[in-house]
Amino acid sequence: TQLLEQSPQFLSIQEGENLTVYCNSSSVFSSLQWYRQEPGEGPVLLVTVVTGGEVKKLKRLTFQFGDARKDSSLHITAAQTGDTGLYLCAGARGTDSWGKLQFGAGTQVVVTP
Amino acid sequence: EAGVTQFPSHSVIEKGQTVTLRCDPISGHDNLYWYRRVMGKEIKFLLHFVKESKQDESGMPNNRFLAERTGGTYSTLKVQPAELEDSGVYFCASSQGQGRTEAFFGQGTRLTVV
Repeated sequence: TQLLEQSPQFLSIQEGENLTVYCNSSSVFSSLQWYRQEPGEGPVLLVTVVTGGEVKKLKRLTFQFGDARKDSSLHITAAQTGDTGLYLCAGARGTDSWGKLQFGAGTQVVVTP
Repeated sequence: EAGVTQFPSHSVIEKGQTVTLRCDPISGHDNLYWYRRVMGKEIKFLLHFVKESKQDESGMPNNRFLAERTGGTYSTLKVQPAELEDSGVYFCASSQGQGRTEAFFGQGTRLTVV
């Protein structure tokens, strides 16, 4: 089983601060996806990274895929209360389908005013 | 365009009963996936349909779980008989065609077995 370990499990910060969430594995994934989940909802896709060393930006969110495609990070700049949520990383096992995913346990982010 | 929808949103049943969960994927999506999150654990893959065919059911816990996708449209996941450890949130996701396409998730069905 390819384990995806996320750290930290829980993160509480104040509005305006920066935060980084890490996702690590001993195995290589063909792609890695970041999701955000709100209570009572399903995971919502934020970004997919594919190439080793790739960096993608989504407004104040920066996603990085490690050179060896085993790890990834999500950095949020100047966090806002609306960034509160459960952030999940998920690695795709197959090369022909990105829907069969290995999920990390998630990082609960709480941004306070 | 409607997203992935799941019914019911919540279900509470007694141990030994049968429950059927339904998933309607995004229209035109050939791939349909079932996932489950049990308390304190990560979301885990259960199985994958391509149209009406089971492509991969390696994550199905045991033979009390039966998934179908009649006509390659909606899918059902039946648990019979339900056990306490089946409690959790069941997610369905769908993606378009073959190749490197991302999956979109439904809101999930929270199943509680008492």
